[in-house]
Amino acid sequence: SQTIHQWPATLVQPVGSPLSLECTVEGTSNPNLYWYRQAAGRGLQLLFYSVGIGQISSEVPQNLSASRPQDRQFILSSKKLLLSDSGFYLCACYAGRNTEAFFGQGTRLTVV
Amino acid sequence: KQEVTQIPAALSVPEGENLVLNCSFTDSAIYNLQWFRQDPGKGLTSLLLIQSSQREQTSGRLNASLDKSSGRSTLYIAASQPGDSATYLCAVIRTGGSYIPTFGRGTSLIVHP
Repeated sequence: SQTIHQWPATLVQPVGSPLSLECTVEGTSNPNLYWYRQAAGRGLQLLFYSVGIGQISSEVPQNLSASRPQDRQFILSSKKLLLSDSGFYLCACYAGRNTEAFFGQGTRLTVV
Repeated sequence: KQEVTQIPAALSVPEGENLVLNCSFTDSAIYNLQWFRQDPGKGLTSLLLIQSSQREQTSGRLNASLDKSSGRSTLYIAASQPGDSATYLCAVIRTGGSYIPTFGRGTSLIVHP
């Protein structure tokens, strides 16, 4: 079965500092990978998705970037965090048309 | 563009009640629909996946139905328990292009003893 590891679980960072959140997947090959952000009281906002190594699509212009250096690794980054980057970040995996989407446990990011 | 709406936004019921959560979507050309549960501060846990060719799926006290032509799904929770308290989200994956789940905003459920 698929497992998604996402870390860290919580993070407090000052404005202007860099960010790196990592997500790794086990139990599947060549999955679609996604980064979502969930702000308090709001729905899930898709930030980036990837259909393969080095292939990244951005849904929303912002202060963040994503990379997929390996098949089962997805990284969310920022060079300089803004207060508005605070939120709950979720990594998700989708292995194919007739399969379930799976989520990691999320990272709570607070920019201060 | 696919839009997903969940009604009600919040629900508070006494233990033991049977519940119906609703999910509607605007584009019926979907591969599947998935129901999730989210506990506070946690990730999403998959509950049920309904393929576009299916009408319903069941797991324990949960039953999800899908009417693709009308763009609706319901999640039925039988004999609710306090442990069912969570936010329930539905997501659809549209046919064509990349597999991108589109989510509703969820229904926040509280089951009180």
